[in-house]
Amino acid sequence: GQQLNQSPQSMFIQEGEDVSMNCTSSSIFNTWLWYKQEPGEGPVLLIALYKAGELTSNGRLTAQFGITRKDSFLNISASIPSDVGIYFCAGQLWGGSQGNLIFGKGTKLSVKP
Amino acid sequence: NAGVTQTPKFRILKIGQSMTLQCTQDMNHNYMYWYRQDPGMGLKLIYYSVGAGITDKGEVPNGYNVSRSTTEDFPLRLELAAPSQTSVYFCASSYSIRAAGGSPLHFGNGTRLTVT
Repeated sequence: GQQLNQSPQSMFIQEGEDVSMNCTSSSIFNTWLWYKQEPGEGPVLLIALYKAGELTSNGRLTAQFGITRKDSFLNISASIPSDVGIYFCAGQLWGGSQGNLIFGKGTKLSVKP
Repeated sequence: NAGVTQTPKFRILKIGQSMTLQCTQDMNHNYMYWYRQDPGMGLKLIYYSVGAGITDKGEVPNGYNVSRSTTEDFPLRLELAAPSQTSVYFCASSYSIRAAGGSPLHFGNGTRLTVT
């Protein structure tokens, strides 16, 4: 089936550092979503992107929908301990539905105070 | 605002046993989904429903059954539990089948299932 390549798999950073993670695919997507999952909870939507080239911010988080429609990145600026969690990208294929959402394997973020 | 509620939170089953994972949402969403999450892997879609009485298979439906008798409830049934079904199960709902237009998935907090 379709796959998203999400990298890095894990990150160990110092509080205050910036973080960058990305997802790539061989297929074209019409929507990119970024979710965060904290231990014992379900994923929570952070940012949704609907147009190629779109750059969207949510507080210290910024995400972009790649021009080719095959990639997206998420940046976190000035990380804090509560940023700890697993970050997932998800893509909806062109012409597809949320029944066809494809999830990356996640980036596990650890922040050292 | 409860959102999506899943029960139980944890369960241990023996091989061959059956159980039902419950999911209910209070957002009047037509669309509901069941995912499983294995360690180090992304979410895999098991089944989804576009409305009461309508269900469809996702990527990994084998060994599971679902029903959707009401808009609010979407239970997932395991008939003959197998070790390969050890996973964390997430139920989700959405206003639209399209992620575009501001209708992303809302997830429950998951059911951690172990089959031994």
